[in-house]
Amino acid sequence: KQEVTQIPAALSVPEGENLVLNCSFTDSAIYNLQWFRQDPGKGLTSLLLIQSSQREQTSGRLNASLDKSSGRSTLYIAASQPGDSATYLCAANPYNTDKLIFGTGTRLQVFP
Amino acid sequence: DGGITQSPKYLFRKEGQNVTLSCEQNLNHDAMYWYRQDPGQGLRLIYYSQIVNDFQKGDIAEGYSVSREKKESFPLTVTSAQKNPTAFYLCASSIQRKEEAFFGQGTRLTVV
Repeated sequence: KQEVTQIPAALSVPEGENLVLNCSFTDSAIYNLQWFRQDPGKGLTSLLLIQSSQREQTSGRLNASLDKSSGRSTLYIAASQPGDSATYLCAANPYNTDKLIFGTGTRLQVFP
Repeated sequence: DGGITQSPKYLFRKEGQNVTLSCEQNLNHDAMYWYRQDPGQGLRLIYYSQIVNDFQKGDIAEGYSVSREKKESFPLTVTSAQKNPTAFYLCASSIQRKEEAFFGQGTRLTVV
């Protein structure tokens, strides 16, 4: 059974710092992995999707990596800004099911 | 603008009532999903549909029902059999199963 873990659960950093959010999954048989952002009381916004054959994806200040052999994905945020404050969720998409398996998220606060 | 629209944003249900949450998408996506989000837990799949007139139960389907009569619409009914319906409900879609998922803004359901 696929399980997804995100550490830390919460993170508070000053503006301008580069930071890394971690996502671990127990079964490497994934079709893809997706990172989302969720603002309080809002839906999920898709940030990056990494296919199983890819090692990383980049969008602006965001870079997501995938290492299936170790069961890990990281989301790197460069030069963090207060507007980056939100909860970040990762979700694994296993081959053997049509559902996404979500972690419980990392709540990020970037203070000025 | 293409996207997923959920309505209403807030919904209050009395004990014993059935309520229906609306989800409409104009992305021409085949697959649609309903997830439930509770504090401190990852999102859990309620129902999903890969094509019109077809849907499957997810992990927590008891007390819920869905229909998929049109490609763009996937309403969720929370029945009186659902004993703990207070939660944040999120609808998602993807062009096909296992592809990138896009989410609506959610409906917060509260039992009064």
